[in-house]
Amino acid sequence: DAKTTQPPSMDCAEGRAANLPCNHSTISGNEYVYWYRQIHSQGPQYIIHGLKNNETNEMASLIITEDRKSSTLILPHATLRDTAVYYCIVRFTGTASKLTFGTGTRLQVTL
Amino acid sequence: DVKVTQSSRYLVKRTGEKVFLECVQDMDHENMFWYRQDPGLGLRLIYFSYDVKMKEKGDIPEGYSVSREKKERFSLILESASTNQTSMYLCASTPLRGGDPQPQHFGDGTRLSIL
Repeated sequence: DAKTTQPPSMDCAEGRAANLPCNHSTISGNEYVYWYRQIHSQGPQYIIHGLKNNETNEMASLIITEDRKSSTLILPHATLRDTAVYYCIVRFTGTASKLTFGTGTRLQVTL
Repeated sequence: DVKVTQSSRYLVKRTGEKVFLECVQDMDHENMFWYRQDPGLGLRLIYFSYDVKMKEKGDIPEGYSVSREKKERFSLILESASTNQTSMYLCASTPLRGGDPQPQHFGDGTRLSIL
């Protein structure tokens, strides 16, 4: 699986959009970009995934650049409950393959 | 919503004990996984199973075994617990749908301390 690079931490004011970047310059054509988050003392939570088109669900939007070498997770209206570590992962579609989390981005949402 | 339930949130055991960690999922998923998560080491796969009675070793299977007698239940066994197995243990599941990427759904984890 391709390696990803994320900033170690970010702050965001409550109610504002949180934009979390991820670089994956070695991504191959059949690898998807996944985002998970982990709130303190809980298990990881799946957020969204995509291949090359932008994706949106009830939690977030995923913007993937045209060359697919980077992506941005957008939480449109961050709340205090969005404070968590966010992990960007690139992997093949094999469902029995493991997940490998890097160090992620610690997002702190403040009043 | 998918529900993955781990039997205990916190567990304290003694060195040498045989420890059972249970995981149940309610969505009829074929694939189930056991990970451990340690500070600075990220998520590491211990074992996974893609069907009843089937199991595959992950990256760090030493000192562990697993059991999958029913589709919904995947158990992790520490044969003789040691202090270096103190960790957060996470169970995950995902359906088997060929060619269609499926995210893994996690339980809330079991924080295991071996004294």
